Amino acid sequence: ELKVEQNPLFLSMQEGKNYTIYCNYSTTSDRLYWYRQDPGKSLESLFVLLSNGAVKQEGRLMASLDTKARLSTLHITAAVHDLSATYFCAVVSNFGNEKLTFGTGTRLTIIP
Amino acid sequence: KAGVTQTPRYLIKTRGQQVTLSCSPISGHRSVSWYQQTPGQGLQFLFEYFSETQRNKGNFPGRFSGRQFSNSRSEMNVSTLELGDSALYLCASSLDGPGTISPLHFGNGTRLTVT
Repeated sequence: ELKVEQNPLFLSMQEGKNYTIYCNYSTTSDRLYWYRQDPGKSLESLFVLLSNGAVKQEGRLMASLDTKARLSTLHITAAVHDLSATYFCAVVSNFGNEKLTFGTGTRLTIIP
Repeated sequence: KAGVTQTPRYLIKTRGQQVTLSCSPISGHRSVSWYQQTPGQGLQFLFEYFSETQRNKGNFPGRFSGRQFSNSRSEMNVSTLELGDSALYLCASSLDGPGTISPLHFGNGTRLTVT
């Protein structure tokens, strides 16, 4: 069974600082997705990573995928308050069916 | 372009009842998938439909069922409700389904409370 773990689960950081959220998964996959969820809202797609070494950037967020290490990172540069949200990674295994398995989520709070 | 629409937004039911949730995908999207979100279990996959056929199913009991209509709209049904079914139920649509280059577009969810 595919397991997806994120760390940290909770993260408070000051505006202007840099930090990284980690997403580890337990089986071979070269398809990984990052989503954002604001409190009381639905999920919004951030990045689609479909190959080893894939790197995507949007504003202050950058995501990368290392399929050999079974690891994706979401890097936040010079955080601003608007980035406060819960971030989820989601993985589809290369084997078997096409189920999307979500990570536990990282609740990010940016402190002014 | 209209987004994914889920109705109703909120539901309160009692144990033993059944409930039907509705999801209208983005126009042109043929895949609709359903997820349950709870504080304890996080986001869990329920099932996915593509062109009226169930392609995948998560590890939920048979009380949870769904279907998709020819216009891609989907419904999810939960019978014999239990307290543990209280959750936010999210529907997502995409062109080709989870695990493809097209990301999922989520609706705002239906908040189900079972008393």
